[in-house]
Amino acid sequence: GAVVSQHPSWVICKSGTSVKIECRSLDFQATTMFWYRQFPKQSLMLMATSNEGSKATYEQGVEKDKFLINHASLTLSTLTVTSAHPEDSSFYICSARDLGEKLFFGSGTQLSVL
Amino acid sequence: DAKTTQPTSMDCAEGRAANLPCNHSTISGNEYVYWYRQIHSQGPQYIIHGLKNNETNEMASLIITEDRKSSTLILPHATLRDTAVYYCIVRVGQKTSYDKVIFGPGTSLSVIP
Repeated sequence: GAVVSQHPSWVICKSGTSVKIECRSLDFQATTMFWYRQFPKQSLMLMATSNEGSKATYEQGVEKDKFLINHASLTLSTLTVTSAHPEDSSFYICSARDLGEKLFFGSGTQLSVL
Repeated sequence: DAKTTQPTSMDCAEGRAANLPCNHSTISGNEYVYWYRQIHSQGPQYIIHGLKNNETNEMASLIITEDRKSSTLILPHATLRDTAVYYCIVRVGQKTSYDKVIFGPGTSLSVIP
């Protein structure tokens, strides 16, 4: 089946630094990718929808200047958490939609901001 | 808001069938029912999806009521590895400008030895 690779799996950073998370569709072209965050014992919360070659659409309450999304190619989308703070610590998950009906998810990135 | 409601948690004995219900009373005619599961600290895993007919694959069966307002995911012989949070989602299922995948709280399934 289709594979979505997310990197890194976990990252620890100092407060005030920026962190980039990559999401790649390995064997299919993904015109649309979604980014989620998940806090412990909670469900996934949609942050933004990323379409290749255009600006991402952010959900209400998600700061677009804080969470920069770039979807420059059909196989790669990146999420950059800028000036990270401890409250940004979370599990971030990407997903990619193929040309059919299915949606595939990455393995997630655990971000810890000290 | 999520368009589905599911029980918060369920237990199932190992080797028995696990039946996970989902209500989606406001589902539109062009929306599919998808099921995913998430094992702790991993990304969600696709299980199965359907529009109006019952579906079966190597992982599970999906039973959709005739009015499409509810569905049941069936794991025929639950194993300890099936312990996870199961999410029922409705979405259009094809490339559209309004395809959003919103997760509800899901059902936490515990398979008991």
